[in-house]
Amino acid sequence: NAGVTQTPKFRVLKTGQSMTLLCAQDMNHEYMYWYRQDPGMGLRLIHYSVGEGTTAKGEVPDGYNVSRLKKQNFLLGLESAAPSQTSVYFCASSYRVHQPQHFGDGTRLSIL
Amino acid sequence: QQQVKQSPQSLIVQKGGISIINCAYENTAFDYFPWYQQFPGKGPALLIAIRPDVSEKKEGRFTISFNKSAKQFSLHIMDSQPGDSATYFCAASNATSGTYKYIFGTGTRLKVLA
Repeated sequence: NAGVTQTPKFRVLKTGQSMTLLCAQDMNHEYMYWYRQDPGMGLRLIHYSVGEGTTAKGEVPDGYNVSRLKKQNFLLGLESAAPSQTSVYFCASSYRVHQPQHFGDGTRLSIL
Repeated sequence: QQQVKQSPQSLIVQKGGISIINCAYENTAFDYFPWYQQFPGKGPALLIAIRPDVSEKKEGRFTISFNKSAKQFSLHIMDSQPGDSATYFCAASNATSGTYKYIFGTGTRLKVLA
């Protein structure tokens, strides 16, 4: 009963480095989302996907790329990390619109 | 117009008291309003949700009140317990526009004193 699993849980990067965050869900959900959570700003949508092979921009997409090659996985990439990308990143999935979004436990990312 | 404004930012309540968190929105096209609960180190989890065709929804000690004309909705936690201490987020979405996005409020940190 894993639900939504995020890898890694913690990471420290230097400015300019790249990395990929992995999200995996085992609920056969169509929709997947990447959010970032910053103090006092709630959750802001970075990118989302409405099915395998599709991606779309959210509120704050700049500096991030995503891919959904398999239905169960949604990858978030940072090509050249910046200190402003220090945040807690959450992945979520849902069966369809207006169904509950199920969240992972987050990835804490620090960019030095 | 896409914002959801949440208040208060933080709330301290005595055990057994009522916790009330408010949210306001401007986009009248929003048609789904969930509340999420988040404990430290964990992801948000759906607590309760409402659609605008009803004015109130109750699940156990948690109630959503919805005022469509005022474009406001609120979460009431009755008989608040220390275990309810968490951060609460309201959200809104509109499926009919073809987008699938939740707009989240900025969160309310609730502390229930024993």
